[in-house]
Amino acid sequence: GPKVLQIPSHQIIDMGQMVTLNCDPVSNHLYFYWYKQILGQQMEFLVNFYNGKVMEKSKLFKDQFSVERPDGSYFTLKIQPTALEDSAVYFCASSPGHSSAETLYFGSGTRLTVL
Amino acid sequence: QQKVQQSPESLTVSEGAMASLNCTFSDGTSDNFRWYRQHSGKGLEVLVSIFSDGEKEEGRFTAHLNRASLHVSLHIREPQPSDSAVYLCATRNNNNAPRFGAGTKLTVKP
Repeated sequence: GPKVLQIPSHQIIDMGQMVTLNCDPVSNHLYFYWYKQILGQQMEFLVNFYNGKVMEKSKLFKDQFSVERPDGSYFTLKIQPTALEDSAVYFCASSPGHSSAETLYFGSGTRLTVL
Repeated sequence: QQKVQQSPESLTVSEGAMASLNCTFSDGTSDNFRWYRQHSGKGLEVLVSIFSDGEKEEGRFTAHLNRASLHVSLHIREPQPSDSAVYLCATRNNNNAPRFGAGTKLTVKP
């Protein structure tokens, strides 16, 4: 099936530093999503992005978070500065459209460890 | 905002015995529902999508939706040890991204 690739699979960073998580979505998809999953806990929605804009975000999408997809390359999640509570697995997803009938395809996640 | 509750938190079944998982949602605004599976350390794999009341079968996986009771279930026929994973229920409507339940950890014993 369609593949979403996330790079890197694991990143370790010191608190206060900046980190960028990269996502290579399915090639013809237009809608992009980030979810956060703390170990052993629920998958939580962060943000939905389309046509260069944030369409929807949750209260977990703090001011330190930003997303972009410059020139159709990677869809990125940037955290600046990082905090200890940002340690989690971050999942990227993409879909062709945004109707509820569309299926989201997920990557395997990036495990972020903030020390 | 839609709340999604899954039960049980964990379930152990023997290989070949039917496994049944439950998901309830907080209100009737959702118009479609999906079951995903997440093997340890992996991403999410979509199993079955359902949009209207009744049943939807995809191979050994059958979803059953009852909007009136705000409930959607997943039944796994002839489960195998390779089906051991966390099963996630997700709901959404046209205005929002999918929201997930906390998951049911399924263990299938040989």
